[in-house]
Amino acid sequence: DARVTQTPRHKVTEMGQEVTMRCQPILGHNTVFWYRQTMMQGLELLAYFRNRAPLDDSGMPKDRFSAEMPDATLATLKIQPSEPRDSAVYFCASGLRRGQGFTDTQYFGPGTRLTVL
Amino acid sequence: SQQGEEDPQALSIQEGENATMNCSYKTSINNLQWYRQNSGRGLVHLILIRSNEREKHSGRLRVTLDTSKKSSSLLITASRAADTASYFCATDRGSTLGRLYFGRGTQLTVWP
Repeated sequence: DARVTQTPRHKVTEMGQEVTMRCQPILGHNTVFWYRQTMMQGLELLAYFRNRAPLDDSGMPKDRFSAEMPDATLATLKIQPSEPRDSAVYFCASGLRRGQGFTDTQYFGPGTRLTVL
Repeated sequence: SQQGEEDPQALSIQEGENATMNCSYKTSINNLQWYRQNSGRGLVHLILIRSNEREKHSGRLRVTLDTSKKSSSLLITASRAADTASYFCATDRGSTLGRLYFGRGTQLTVWP
């Protein structure tokens, strides 16, 4: 049963600390998305990658957030330094892009619930 | 900004009743998708409808798409308590890059 995995599931940290969230996409998927979900803003796209290359990270605060794909089986989202307003649930999703004209279904992980005190 | 706008924001019904949720959007699309999110979980894909389709079925789900009105509806027939969740529509805004734009969702509560 292929699924997206995310670690940690919960993270409580203090303002100013570095936070690293990890995602393992479904094996064979070539597109990885990072979302943030809050009550106020809903589901926001932070960044996404195709074949490990960043396609769009315009939704991400550049001064403190960074997203990478060190290899095809791992995506990371880092926040440094973290702030209370970063408290949210962060989702990773993966999909398989087969070419023009095909539509991606996204498969979401369980999320990382981040609380910054 | 959100592309899809779901309506209503919240819906409360009894088991066995049908639940209808609507989604409006503003741009041209290639397709529209519906997702479900149970409390504390990630989103789960339910159904995809292409812009040249008008209706699609999957089990107890029926999705319609009216591109002239830029709207879609999701009907869940004979609802169950287990259908309690948030339901989101998502579109691609006509892009072929694979990105989806999600609405804020409809919170459906089905009472036993």
